[in-house]
Amino acid sequence: NAGVTQTPKFRILKIGQSMTLQCTQDMNHNYMYWYRQDPGMGLKLIYYSVGAGITDKGEVPNGYNVSRSTTEDFPLRLELAAPSQTSVYFCASWVRHINQPQHFGDGTRLSIL
Amino acid sequence: AQTVTQSQPEMSVQEAETVTLSCTYDTSESDYYLFWYKQPPSRQMILVIRQEAYKQQNATENRFSVNFQKAAKSFSLKISDSQLGDAAMYFCAYRSAVGSARQLTFGSGTQLTVLP
Repeated sequence: NAGVTQTPKFRILKIGQSMTLQCTQDMNHNYMYWYRQDPGMGLKLIYYSVGAGITDKGEVPNGYNVSRSTTEDFPLRLELAAPSQTSVYFCASWVRHINQPQHFGDGTRLSIL
Repeated sequence: AQTVTQSQPEMSVQEAETVTLSCTYDTSESDYYLFWYKQPPSRQMILVIRQEAYKQQNATENRFSVNFQKAAKSFSLKISDSQLGDAAMYFCAYRSAVGSARQLTFGSGTQLTVLP
């Protein structure tokens, strides 16, 4: 009963480095999301996907890229990491049903130094 | 675009007492969903309670209940018989019933402290 799994849990990057945050879900959900949470704030949407091969920008997409080659996986790519990307990143998934909630992973804490 | 406002950055309650967390939202939509999430220090996002806008009856989950006032666009969370384990950051969230993304829009959160 894994749900939404995010890796890694913690990471420190140097300015200008790149990395990929991994997210996988085993619930066959068609919708997947990436949010970021800055200190003392709520979550903001970075990118989302409504199914394999389909992605779209959210509220704060600059500096990020995503892909969705399978239903299960939705990796988030940071190119040229900047200090402003220091945040906690959450992946979530959802099945389109009347009142189902989104399921969240445990988050990835990312620091850019 | 929808916005969610939580005007109480911090709240405290005595153990076994009742506390109410406030949330207001702005939307032009008539059909939507509202949620309260709890985030303990472990960072997990834990769903506490949900409310469908088309339902007039307020949702209840054990010690947690909401006061949903659709006309006033208000969605407060009441925690009864507060326990030490209730200490956490609480987020109010909105989800549209239409549109392609169906993402959650979050408020800025209320940090709840439970005093023994």
